[in-house]
Amino acid sequence: DAKTTQPNSMESNEEEPVHLPCNHSTISGTDYIHWYRQLPSQGPEYVIHGLTSNVNNRMASLAIAEDRKSSTLILHRATLRDAAVYYCILRLARDNTDKLIFGTGTRLQVFP
Amino acid sequence: DSGVTQTPKHLITATGQRVTLRCSPRSGDLSVYWYQQSLDQGLQFLIQYYNGEERAKGNILERFSAQQFPDLHSELNLSSLELGDSALYFCASSLSLSGSRQETQYFGPGTRLLVL
Repeated sequence: DAKTTQPNSMESNEEEPVHLPCNHSTISGTDYIHWYRQLPSQGPEYVIHGLTSNVNNRMASLAIAEDRKSSTLILHRATLRDAAVYYCILRLARDNTDKLIFGTGTRLQVFP
Repeated sequence: DSGVTQTPKHLITATGQRVTLRCSPRSGDLSVYWYQQSLDQGLQFLIQYYNGEERAKGNILERFSAQQFPDLHSELNLSSLELGDSALYFCASSLSLSGSRQETQYFGPGTRLLVL
């Protein structure tokens, strides 16, 4: 299983941008990068995914390094509701299953 | 609301007992996944069913089994329960277009199991 490395925790103030990093140095050419988050007492929820180009959606932006060995999830204006554990997950080309392999994630704290 | 429902929300039982957790996927989704979240192991994939057939197996104990019914709902059966089985059990669903690594999985709210 391809490994991702994330900081254990990060802090932000409300309404400030947050950049959540993820290293995935063993990524292969057609492996997708997915981000999920888990709010307190809830199941994980999809945030965003990408392959090579940067991606934007209503929740966040995903910036992917040119060599694809790292990526950054960007929350443009953090709110208290964004306090969650954020998981960076690789969907592997060589894996013919659909399972998600969760690491330990980054716990984001947002302060008012 | 993800559209995935799980029952019951909470379950308290004793060691050695057997329980059944139920999951209804989002309308139209063909795949159901089961994950276990414990404090020491984190979120771990257990098993996937696609349109009634087992598709993938993860770290699922032999005491655990699952099935997916013709109406696509799924049940996870946990037997001979041990204290260490206490955890959150999540069900997820997806459409599961073959070979798509872009697909989103939608998670239910989970069942919290406490084994005393």
